[in-house]
Amino acid sequence: NAGVTQTPKFRILKIGQSMTLQCTQDMNHNYMYWYRQDPGMGLKLIYYSVGAGITDKGEVPNGYNVSRSTTEDFPLRLELAAPSQTSVYFCASSSTSGSSYEQYFGPGTRLTVT
Amino acid sequence: GIQVEQSPPDLILQEGANSTLRCNFSDSVNNLQWFHQNPWGQLINLFYIPSGTKQNGRLSATTVATERYSLLYISSSQTTDSGVYFCAVGRVYNQGEKLIFGQGTELSVKP
Repeated sequence: NAGVTQTPKFRILKIGQSMTLQCTQDMNHNYMYWYRQDPGMGLKLIYYSVGAGITDKGEVPNGYNVSRSTTEDFPLRLELAAPSQTSVYFCASSSTSGSSYEQYFGPGTRLTVT
Repeated sequence: GIQVEQSPPDLILQEGANSTLRCNFSDSVNNLQWFHQNPWGQLINLFYIPSGTKQNGRLSATTVATERYSLLYISSSQTTDSGVYFCAVGRVYNQGEKLIFGQGTELSVKP
């Protein structure tokens, strides 16, 4: 299993541009998450999904959109990028089978908005 | 919401020394995970430990859920242990489960 994969690894955007961060997991997990990590800080939840077609906001959703058309994929869309969105973005997934809620994280996408 | 506090914020060790990192949380949780973020930014799962004690090589962790804290023990530290250690806790809501991260403990192991 590749686990959770993210593309791209790095990206530089100009203010006002848009882009989509890709996330795919091959563990057949029903739950998927997007977090952002600002320098020197812990991660904060942007959006999450409990299954295909179902998404909900996390702690810091403004400026982002998500969709979940398949179990495997959970893309994050940035519209009208702003410098405040400069951050490292992590995608994660988890399963609720059994009693474990352990989350598994991808390698991250480092985004700079200038 | 749940508050997560980690201590100490920074720690410098000589190679071979032992250390204990602490995570306090403000409410009951279903999930507690410890992560190591290496200098390249990768998040590595260390333990899933909502309660009890686990060991993996030189690392072990204990969570006392009733007293709302968890401890991560690193023995015989190595330079490769350097990085930031995060504690994250979660509760299962009607839909989904959200992890709340602490601010991390930055560990530097000197040769």
